[in-house]
Amino acid sequence: DAKTTQPNSMESNEEEPVHLPCNHSTISGTDYIHWYRQLPSQGPEYVIHGLTSNVNNRMASLAIAEDRKSSTLILHRATLRDAAVYYCILRDYSGTYKYIFGTGTRLKVLA
Amino acid sequence: ETGVTQTPRHLVMGMTNKKSLKCEQHLGHNAMYWYKQSAKKPLELMFVYNFKEQTENNSVPSRFSPECPNSSHLFLHLHTLQPEDSALYLCASSQDLAGGPKAGELFFGEGSRLTVL
Repeated sequence: DAKTTQPNSMESNEEEPVHLPCNHSTISGTDYIHWYRQLPSQGPEYVIHGLTSNVNNRMASLAIAEDRKSSTLILHRATLRDAAVYYCILRDYSGTYKYIFGTGTRLKVLA
Repeated sequence: ETGVTQTPRHLVMGMTNKKSLKCEQHLGHNAMYWYKQSAKKPLELMFVYNFKEQTENNSVPSRFSPECPNSSHLFLHLHTLQPEDSALYLCASSQDLAGGPKAGELFFGEGSRLTVL
């Protein structure tokens, strides 16, 4: 079962920042937080990941709470191409790494 | 192009047919995964292979039979499927690393859309 909870959907205006929240209250000390997104008719694609510190890359930023029980994906300026389902997952290790996806957040970007 | 190629992209089969889905990765990864994505449901992890060895079978019915002949290829053999097995089947690969900038990034193929009549 997915160990993360996310809002089902969010809306944003184009060119504005978007903050996508994720709760993972049962996270263990070795679980990495990963974010993926799935555009229509495509497989999911990697966005960003982190362990404890905040992370930035060319696509987004990841803010991780100090107790690691929640995180927020930040898209600094949403574009229409960012409309997708965003998944927050914990990379679980039990002999091998597993990635259990939840229902994700469907982001709608308004022009 | 993610480096993970799935064929066929679309497949229609009857309940008595036998078919196979193929996945190939050119990324030098050691882990490969099968996921199932049904309409309006989250991705369900089916199987995990690490260095050709199956390390996870998520209670998948035996009518789905995976095969991993080497670290670059993964198959999903299908037989006597049910209409409810119609879904998008996604293959992914990763390099199992404990940490670092690219630790465990999953690369997905575009999926094989299966319709069972």
